[in-house]
Amino acid sequence: ETVLTQSPATLSLSPGERATLSCRASQSVSNYLAWYQQKPGQAPRLLIYDISNRATGIPARFSGSGSGTDFTLTISSLEPEDFAVYYCQQRSKRPFTFGPGTKVDIK
Amino acid sequence: EVQLVESGGGLVQPGGSLRLSCSASGFTFSKYWMNWVRQAPGKGLEWVANIKQDGSAKDYVDSVNGRFTISRDNAKNSLYLQMNGLRAEDTAVYYCARDDYRLLGLPDSWGQGTLVTVSS
Repeated sequence: ETVLTQSPATLSLSPGERATLSCRASQSVSNYLAWYQQKPGQAPRLLIYDISNRATGIPARFSGSGSGTDFTLTISSLEPEDFAVYYCQQRSKRPFTFGPGTKVDIK
Repeated sequence: EVQLVESGGGLVQPGGSLRLSCSASGFTFSKYWMNWVRQAPGKGLEWVANIKQDGSAKDYVDSVNGRFTISRDNAKNSLYLQMNGLRAEDTAVYYCARDDYRLLGLPDSWGQGTLVTVSS
C-alpha cells in the first residue's frame, strides 16, 4: 500500500498569507496525485488533480507542484473560505489512498 | 447538476449487516466508475471500494474485502454497498463518489454521506 504523509498537521495562518502544504508518498505515484479540500460537515471537494491541474471552478490561488514522491499544494493568498482540512490522494496504485490531512486554521 | 444522495446508514450491532444505497442524478450514471469512501469520526478519508461502469470489475480495500460487496443498478441509477460482519472500526460516514469520466481513481463528485455506527 502506498502511504501518504502530510505536513504539517496544522498550519495556523492569517487571511492574505501564503499557505504551503506538503505531501510525501512512500513510493513513486508518478503524476497521479490529487488534492481535496474538506470543511466541517461537508463532503470533500476536488481541488487539484495530476499534480498541478485545477479542477473545474477552482480559483487560481490554488496551485500544485512536485514529482515522484514529493508534492506541494500552495494557496497564494488565503481567503476566509480557505480555512479547512486538505487531503492529498494517490491513484497510481491500488488501493487508492489518502493522506491524513493538514488543517489550515486561522491564526 | 450532479447529485449523489446516500441512504441506509444507522446503528447496528457488531457482527450485523447493513446495506447502503446511493441515488445518482444529473449525469449518465452508466458511463462512470463509482466509489465508496468512508471517514471515521474525526479522522481522515479511506477509499473503500469501486466498481466499473458495467459492474464487471470491482475492487476493495483489504480491511473490508470478503465482508463488503459493492454493486450497482444502472437502470435505477443506483450504487450499493452491502456490509456484513460489521465491526466497531467500520463506524464512519460513508460517501458515494463518482470518478472523473477520463481518470480512474479520481473522485470528482461526492454525496453528503450517511453515518454508520457499529456499537452494542
